[in-house]
Amino acid sequence: GQSLEQPSEVTAVEGAIVQINCTYQTSGFYGLSWYQQHDGGAPTFLSYNALDGLEETGRFSSFLSRSDSYGYLLLQELQMKDSASYFCAPQTGANNLFFGTGTRLTVIP
Amino acid sequence: DTGVSQDPRHKITKRGQNVTFRCDPISEHNRLYWYRQTLGQGPEFLTYFQNEAQLEKSRLLSDRFSAERPKGSFSTLEIQRTEQGDSAMYLCASSQGLAGNNEQFFGPGTRLTVL
Repeated sequence: GQSLEQPSEVTAVEGAIVQINCTYQTSGFYGLSWYQQHDGGAPTFLSYNALDGLEETGRFSSFLSRSDSYGYLLLQELQMKDSASYFCAPQTGANNLFFGTGTRLTVIP
Repeated sequence: DTGVSQDPRHKITKRGQNVTFRCDPISEHNRLYWYRQTLGQGPEFLTYFQNEAQLEKSRLLSDRFSAERPKGSFSTLEIQRTEQGDSAMYLCASSQGLAGNNEQFFGPGTRLTVL
């Protein structure tokens, strides 16, 4: 079977740094994507890690360890607009993303 | 707007009726995906097209669901004999399918309510 674990909720202060962890167990694995979804909105792509290591894109960074089936999303200099749900999504087939229930991030002043 | 578009945005239907949704992907994208999302859950993969070929279909997709992409451009998702459990947001996404980049662009979704 397939499973995915990430915290259901995280609260952080504006300007702070937050890390959202993700552990996964899948029958196939090509890479790990992260998506952001605001309430009522569509998911939007943040990052994709095919190889081990850290990928940095502006205030967001994503890390992958394939041997540990583990990844994380790091958000720096948090802004109020970062309040949203964040999904890690292992790519389990050539074209298949497996989304979990996501982490709801609330940024407080 | 050159993003993914979906029509209609909202659909209310009675149990037992058939419904059809349309998705127009980003024009140069050859890959198209359908997902379903319910409240508090992440998107759940339904099916995938590369050009006009339906290459992958979730085992969760019952026989009442069918999807087409006749000319490799827009796609339709039909649900026959709708049930209350079909109530959800139906999301379409598209991608270029470039090696090492699986970024999927999602449309705004069609919210289906089955009464």
